[in-house]
Amino acid sequence: QSVLTQPPSVSAAPGQKVTISCSGSSSNIGNNYVSWYQQLPGTAPKLLIYDNNKRPSGIPDRFSGSKSGTSATLGITGLQTGDEADYYCGTWDSSLSVYVFGTGTKVTVL
Amino acid sequence: EVQLVESGGGLVQPGGSLRLSCAASGFTFSSYAMSWVRQAPGKGLEWDSAISGSGGSTYYADSVKGRFTISRDNSKNTLYLQMNSLRAEDTAVYYCAKNFGEVGYYYYHMDVWGKGTTVTVSS
Repeated sequence: QSVLTQPPSVSAAPGQKVTISCSGSSSNIGNNYVSWYQQLPGTAPKLLIYDNNKRPSGIPDRFSGSKSGTSATLGITGLQTGDEADYYCGTWDSSLSVYVFGTGTKVTVL
Repeated sequence: EVQLVESGGGLVQPGGSLRLSCAASGFTFSSYAMSWVRQAPGKGLEWDSAISGSGGSTYYADSVKGRFTISRDNSKNTLYLQMNSLRAEDTAVYYCAKNFGEVGYYYYHMDVWGKGTTVTVSS
């Protein structure tokens, strides 16, 4: 059972915006940086956002991250069919001494 | 180009053992911590284990502690996961991931992932 909670699914039309929340606690999100991972169907996860809001080289600026207190948010603007995937947040949990992932959110483009 | 290629997965009976390997290329392997992350069929990601760049420090999730052993051979640029006493619930795709930052640091995360290898535990 994950300690980071995400909505199971979000959806929007092409070109619109979606946001995905990731809720944790002071032992994980509250005191550590959050990363976001994108997993396209049938493929391995890929780093999308790190250090709460930084994008690796090659990740378009349509993807953004933010953090406030014990919650983090991933935003996707200008939604495209190619963005249909599962998205996971992740961070270190200082109490459990393990890396924890969120429950995952499936993004559907209507 | 940074590349991680896992191998060693397969079908094993409950209580059996398996050793996974992850061949790394395109970066200075010994300078980076590495992790194993699993994904059971239709389920989310679960971090299993990590090892420091030197191999001197190892970390495990409670679910695998005492059964799995992570190790690395920096001369061969290869990461390993020795899995013993396997259970049906260990059935998953196992991913090898390059880490950024020391394990447990506030900015620690997984920045490059392999394609995974499938482990099936069944009689």
